[in-house]
Amino acid sequence: DTGVSQDPRHKITKRGQNVTFRCDPISEHNRLYWYRQTLGQGPEFLTYFQNEAQLEKSRLLSDRFSAERPKGSFSTLEIQRTEQGDSAMYLCAINHRTYQETQYFGPGTRLLVL
Amino acid sequence: DQQVKQNSPSLSVQEGRISILNCDYTNSMFDYFLWYKKYPAEGPTFLISISSIKDKNEDGRFTVFLNKSAKHLSLHIVPSQPGDSAVYFCAASGSSGGSNYKLTFGKGTLLTVNP
Repeated sequence: DTGVSQDPRHKITKRGQNVTFRCDPISEHNRLYWYRQTLGQGPEFLTYFQNEAQLEKSRLLSDRFSAERPKGSFSTLEIQRTEQGDSAMYLCAINHRTYQETQYFGPGTRLLVL
Repeated sequence: DQQVKQNSPSLSVQEGRISILNCDYTNSMFDYFLWYKKYPAEGPTFLISISSIKDKNEDGRFTVFLNKSAKHLSLHIVPSQPGDSAVYFCAASGSSGGSNYKLTFGKGTLLTVNP
């Protein structure tokens, strides 16, 4: 148990639809990250929160993507007007409380856009 | 440009032997390196890490070696077990300059340990 749950685990949607994913750390962690992994690639950084503040966004995060962490606990990632190229696994990670450089990942949400 | 490179897409070893997974990086600002193991349809699982001030870190069957001058690190698994079969990712982060510790990953190496 990494201390991070993600919901849903799988999502199939049609092109043009909006989808929202949720990440829940089981305890308080000040740092929360979103990554995306496509087939044959390693995870790629999307965005980062320190508490409720979104401090960095990757160029991969187009204006169709929005992420929030309203109370500094759980986080949501929304994709509007999905495209087939959005099909990927979306991973949430939290930092180790003492060793900030170490991140623990949730099980991921697998998105398939038809 | 790929800042973290794992040049071997796959590796096959016999049970009980040593597995050596390699990783190269190009960004001199990286000062912390991690190895993750990943099964299909699951998130990456943290294995072991090393700070740039060290050249070796050991945890049970797993040892990571860092050669800063060559910008190279390796993960040794001894002895290898069939349950070690998975994709292994090398990742790096820089703790200075406000990098926020975001991780940069390689493309992974698929390790198969044969009984």
